[in-house]
Amino acid sequence: EAGVVQSPRYKIIEKKQPVAFWCNPISGHNTLYWYRQNLGQGPELLIRYENEEAVDDSQLPKDRFSAERLKGVDSTLKIQPAELGDSAVYLCASSFGGGFGEQFFGPGTRLTVL
Amino acid sequence: AQKVTQAQTEISVVEKEDVTLDCVYETRDTTYYLFWYKQPPSGELVFLIRRNSFDEQNEISGRYSWNFQKSTSSFNFTITASQVVDSAVYFCALGEAGGSGVTQGGSEKLVFGKGTKLTVNP
Repeated sequence: EAGVVQSPRYKIIEKKQPVAFWCNPISGHNTLYWYRQNLGQGPELLIRYENEEAVDDSQLPKDRFSAERLKGVDSTLKIQPAELGDSAVYLCASSFGGGFGEQFFGPGTRLTVL
Repeated sequence: AQKVTQAQTEISVVEKEDVTLDCVYETRDTTYYLFWYKQPPSGELVFLIRRNSFDEQNEISGRYSWNFQKSTSSFNFTITASQVVDSAVYFCALGEAGGSGVTQGGSEKLVFGKGTKLTVNP
C-alpha cells in the first residue's frame, strides 16, 4: 500500500513569492492534516480536514496561508506571499477517521525562504 | 493548556545499551491520549504507540516498552538493547479529547514535544 505522498520534497524561494505544496493521502483515509515543523521542534498542526471540510484551521495564519481539499482526497497548502519565518518542513498526514487514531505521515516538504 | 516536555534534547549511547526517553505532559482534561512517534533521517514520522488516559498498563513491544504514570504525568519510552537503526528523533505527543470524550469535528489537536534525538553508535 502506498504511503502519504508529498511534493515537492524541497523548495527554495525568495521572500514575497508564492509557494504551494501538494499532498496525496493514503487511499480511503478521510482525515487529512497539515503540520509545520520548525527546526528542532515538534510538528504543529496547521489545519485538519474531515473529507473536504476544514474542521480545525485555528492554527492556520489565514492572512497568507490557504488550503484546499477538493473532492476529499488530495490537498494543497499555499503560502502567498512567503516570509523568511515560513522556512520549515511542511508535513502532511492522513488517518482513517479522526478520534486520535494513528496518523500516517508523508516525508514532508522542506521550504527555504531566502 | 496542553504541554509536552521532553527534557532530553540529545542522547548518545553505544549499541546494546538500554535507553529511556522521558516525556512529561500537562493537561486539565480527564480524557486524553498519549503518543510516541519516531522520525528517522528520511523525515517521515512513524507511529509507535497510542495510550488513552484510562489505561495505565505498561506496554512492551519487542525491544520497546512504555511506562505510563498518571501520578507523575509521565509517559516514558525505553529501548532495550539499542541498535544503530534506532537512531532517530523521538517525539512524545498529547491529544486532548475534552472531558466528555472525542467528538467528531471537534478540536482533535495533537501537541508534540520538541523531541529527543537518539544516536546509537556501533
